[in-house]
Amino acid sequence: AQSVTQLDSQVPVFEEAPVELRCNYSSSVSVYLFWYVQYPNQGLQLLLKYLSGSTLVKGINGFEAEFNKSQTSFHLRKPSVHISDTAEYFCAVGANNQGGKLIFGQGTELSVKP
Amino acid sequence: DTGVSQDPRHKITKRGQNVTFRCDPISEHNRLYWYRQTLGQGPEFLTYFQNEAQLEKSRLLSDRFSAERPKGSFSTLEIQRTEQGDSAMYLCASSRPLPETQYFGPGTRLLVL
Repeated sequence: AQSVTQLDSQVPVFEEAPVELRCNYSSSVSVYLFWYVQYPNQGLQLLLKYLSGSTLVKGINGFEAEFNKSQTSFHLRKPSVHISDTAEYFCAVGANNQGGKLIFGQGTELSVKP
Repeated sequence: DTGVSQDPRHKITKRGQNVTFRCDPISEHNRLYWYRQTLGQGPEFLTYFQNEAQLEKSRLLSDRFSAERPKGSFSTLEIQRTEQGDSAMYLCASSRPLPETQYFGPGTRLLVL
């Protein structure tokens, strides 16, 4: 079975600073990975995904993530954050042998301060 | 592209009542998923459909929960004899066949008093 660990429950950062949100996963089979963002009282919006191919993936709003198979990580990064990036971020893993369901981490609350 | 829609957005009910939620997926998506999200947690998988067939149910889905997708389009999730522990956000998502992205609806927030 797959599992996901988001290593930081809260990340406070000042506006225009860089940020990294950490995600580690465990799996015995090939996986695909996602980062979603959730604003208060809303559903999840896809930021980026890794299905195969290039390990560096770029997403919306200037976010990017790197798939590292040896370290089983998929950390999310942004070089300069904005106040509007304040939200909850979820890492999720899927695999063909688990029928398409996604396993989510517990989330990281990103708080951008002026 | 109208996205995934869910109805209602909010539901307040008394313990013991039945509730039903509806999800309309993106039209060309044959897969439909239900997740539950409690406060401060990530979404947890409940069940999913490929077309009208329900292919997997989580053990979180007790016998008080039932989901249907009768014509392979919209889906309903019913909770019978609600309990306070059922209070959560219920999220629906849809996708094309694997390994495609799941697109989420806005969710239905349930409060059981």
